[in-house]
Formats: sequence, C-alpha cells, structure tokens
Amino acid sequence: QSVLTQPPSVSGAPGQRVTISCTGSSSNIGAGYDVHWYQQLPGTAPKLLISGNNNRPSGVPDRFSGSKSGTSASLAITGLQAEDEADYFCQSYDSSLSGPWVFGGGTKLTVL
Amino acid sequence: EVQLVEAGGGLVKPGGSLRLSCAASGFTFSSYTMNWVRQAPGKGLEWVSSISSNSIYISYVDSVKGRFTISRDNAKKSLYLQMNSLRAEDTGVYYCARRWAEAGAFEYWGQGKLVTVSS
Repeated sequence: QSVLTQPPSVSGAPGQRVTISCTGSSSNIGAGYDVHWYQQLPGTAPKLLISGNNNRPSGVPDRFSGSKSGTSASLAITGLQAEDEADYFCQSYDSSLSGPWVFGGGTKLTVL
Repeated sequence: EVQLVEAGGGLVKPGGSLRLSCAASGFTFSSYTMNWVRQAPGKGLEWVSSISSNSIYISYVDSVKGRFTISRDNAKKSLYLQMNSLRAEDTGVYYCARRWAEAGAFEYWGQGKLVTVSS
C-alpha cells in the first residue's frame, strides 16, 4: 500500500485533456512538501516530468502541468498524444517516516 | 549532459550477494546526494537508500537495513550498493538517481539494472 494514492488507470482520446490525482496526508503533501511527477515510458527508466508541484524541466512540453491543494496534487495533460501513453508516478516527502521519500503507486495512461 | 550508468545486476540465489555500481558523468558528482530506487516487476517505485555528497548522511528503507550498504567514491564519480542476504522480494530493477535537495525531486535517473533473486 503506497503512502500516496493514485488511480491505477486513466484513459483519453487523442486531443483530450486528462488529469491524474495524487492523494496524500498531513505528514506529506498536506505538510507543505513539494510534489513531483515522473513519466515512465514502456521499458524505460522514469523521467522527471514536473518538479516542485508545477515546474517543468527543460524539454517537457507545456501540455503537462501540475497543481497542488491541501493534501492532494494533480497532473494534467492537455492535447493528449499517442506518445503520452505511459505510467505516471507522483512523489513527495513524508516527515513521519524514517525513509521519507515516498511514491504513489502509479497510474497507467492509455491513449484510446 | 548528465549520465548515470548502472552495472552489476544479474541472477543470484536467495541469501546471496550482489554489488551494483553507478558511474556518473556530466555534472559535479561530489556536490549531490545520490540514491537508489527500485521497481519490482510490474510494480511501482520504491526508494531504497540515499547517501549525502560527503557520505555523512546515509539512510535506508526499513526492509533493507542491515543487509544493504550504500557508498560512493567521489574521485571515481561512482555510487555503489552492496546487497547481502538477498531475498526474493528484492527482485526488481534498481535505478541510481540524483537528488538536489532533501525534499527535492529525483532529477536524473540511470537506465536501471535488473536484479533477480531466485533459486
């Protein structure tokens, strides 16, 4: 059971907008710690997609955006493309744990 | 260009040992906290261990404490993970990853190395 909760799967048609939620608690997201998002294409290593809640590293299209409110965060993808089909993971910091770097269970995005 | 290249994975019997290494290039290795993150087959990501830039601060996930040892050699720009008393549940792909700040993101990842613990 992951400390951060994500839906196992989401789907959308090309061109549509999808969102992926990440729900935490008062010891991680709710405590003010940043949420980061990673994209893992099939058979590859995770890649940082969004850092610090809503910052895109160089090279990440502006179709990807992040937000945070209370004990939850969301990743939004607009103008969905076939190449966006991947697993997406949220990650934050949990001050109540001895190993504080925690991930969500991951969400599989299917482009219909 | 930042590059992290892992080596040393493979098949090992339960109770056995394996050493992973991660060669870094393209950045000042000695300035960054380095980490190991693993992914069991078909599962999510799990942080395993971290080591600060000067090796003073080291931490492990509870499930590997006393069995795994993280280390680094800043002169060789290399990160290591010595894994002893391996269990079936340690099976997975192990990634080395760079992290800038305590609560920061894992900015760069290696390609990963598969470790399979099976008799």
